[in-house]
Amino acid sequence: EIVLTQSPGTLSLSPGERATLSCRASQSVNSYLAWYQQKPGQAPRLLISDASNRATGIPARFSGSGSGTDFTLTISSLEPEDFAVYYCQQRNNWPITFGQGTRLEIK
Amino acid sequence: EVQLLESGGGLVQPGGSLRLSCAASGFTFSNFGLSWVRQAPGKGLEWVSAISTSGANTYYADSVKGQFTISRDNSKNTLFLQMDTLRVEDTAVYFCARVLSSYRAFDIWGQGTMVTVSS
Repeated sequence: EIVLTQSPGTLSLSPGERATLSCRASQSVNSYLAWYQQKPGQAPRLLISDASNRATGIPARFSGSGSGTDFTLTISSLEPEDFAVYYCQQRNNWPITFGQGTRLEIK
Repeated sequence: EVQLLESGGGLVQPGGSLRLSCAASGFTFSNFGLSWVRQAPGKGLEWVSAISTSGANTYYADSVKGQFTISRDNSKNTLFLQMDTLRVEDTAVYFCARVLSSYRAFDIWGQGTMVTVSS
């Protein structure tokens, strides 16, 4: 099973700042890496698929990069609605696995 | 509007069974693989199971293999999850999700249905 480790566990930033979230895989997942945003009481929302492809309707301030084992989700300038929990997910190998999440909180 | 709507959750005793349903609308159901993902209270996301477009191929997490059965009815645009021999640790919100090709991401999610296993 591929283990995804997200860092940091919690990120405290202010609106307007840049957020950089990391996801590291225990072995290569090529580019089969997705990112999700989840707000309390809501279902996750797909942000990025295939490491760097923004999903439909996702603002341009969200971007993904990386391949192999190291991936990054960047939010260029935080909006108030961006404070949430973010998960990465891989499907290079079965089983599909998720990272443990990064909580992005308002400083 | 593309939509997934889960139902069938509730309170069940340990060892009991439950069948979840997920009704789809707004897209050609038979063209997409589907999946179940769960989230225990206060915890992260855990993939549970997936099924191919025709239903011929199914996949399970080790934690539910032999215990849960995924299926679909393309004539009724509905996905199912039969959960047997339920354990306390199966308590979670269960989401159904549409998958992109090769199961590489989940692009549409339902709102979730809560399953509580408790005596």
